[in-house]
Amino acid sequence: KQEVTQIPAALSVPEGENLVLNCSFTDSAIYNLQWFRQDPGKGLTSLLLIQSSQREQTSGRLNASLDKSSGRSTLYIAASQPGDSATYLCAVKPGNTGKLIFGQGTTLQVKP
Amino acid sequence: GAGVSQSPSNKVTEKGKDVELRCDPISGHTALYWYRQSLGQGLEFLIYFQGNSAPDKSGLPSDRFSAERTGGSVSTLTIQRTQQEDSAVYLCASSLSSGGYNEQFFGPGTRLTVL
Repeated sequence: KQEVTQIPAALSVPEGENLVLNCSFTDSAIYNLQWFRQDPGKGLTSLLLIQSSQREQTSGRLNASLDKSSGRSTLYIAASQPGDSATYLCAVKPGNTGKLIFGQGTTLQVKP
Repeated sequence: GAGVSQSPSNKVTEKGKDVELRCDPISGHTALYWYRQSLGQGLEFLIYFQGNSAPDKSGLPSDRFSAERTGGSVSTLTIQRTQQEDSAVYLCASSLSSGGYNEQFFGPGTRLTVL
């Protein structure tokens, strides 16, 4: 059974710092991995999707990497800003079917 | 264009009542997904539709939960005889197709409180 773990559960950093969020999964046979952002009381916003054949994806200050063989993904946020404060969720798609399996999330606070 | 919409945004009901939650996917998206987010369990998959068919219902927690989709568009999630443990945020998502490398786009959710 696929399980997704995110460490740390919470993180607080000063503005301007670069940071890394971690995601690990137990079964390397995934189709793709998606990183989301969730603001309090809101739905999920898709940040990046990495296909199983890819190693990384970049969007602005965000870079996500994928190492399928070791069952790990990281989300790198450069030059963090208070507006980056949110919960970040990673999710894997276990096959060419619909569902995503989510981690518990990392709640990030960026202090001005 | 419009994103995924859900209604109602909040629903408070009494234990034992039935509730219906509605999801309007992004226009042109053939796949639609229901998830549930609760404090203790995180974000869990419930069911997904490709067109009007539901190939995977494995996440529905009991036979009190059902969902349907008609016309390949709007979907309704019905919970019968609600229990307090059903209290959660119910999230809907849609994608161009359930196969391939298609991103899932989420709605704002319906917060269900069972008293």
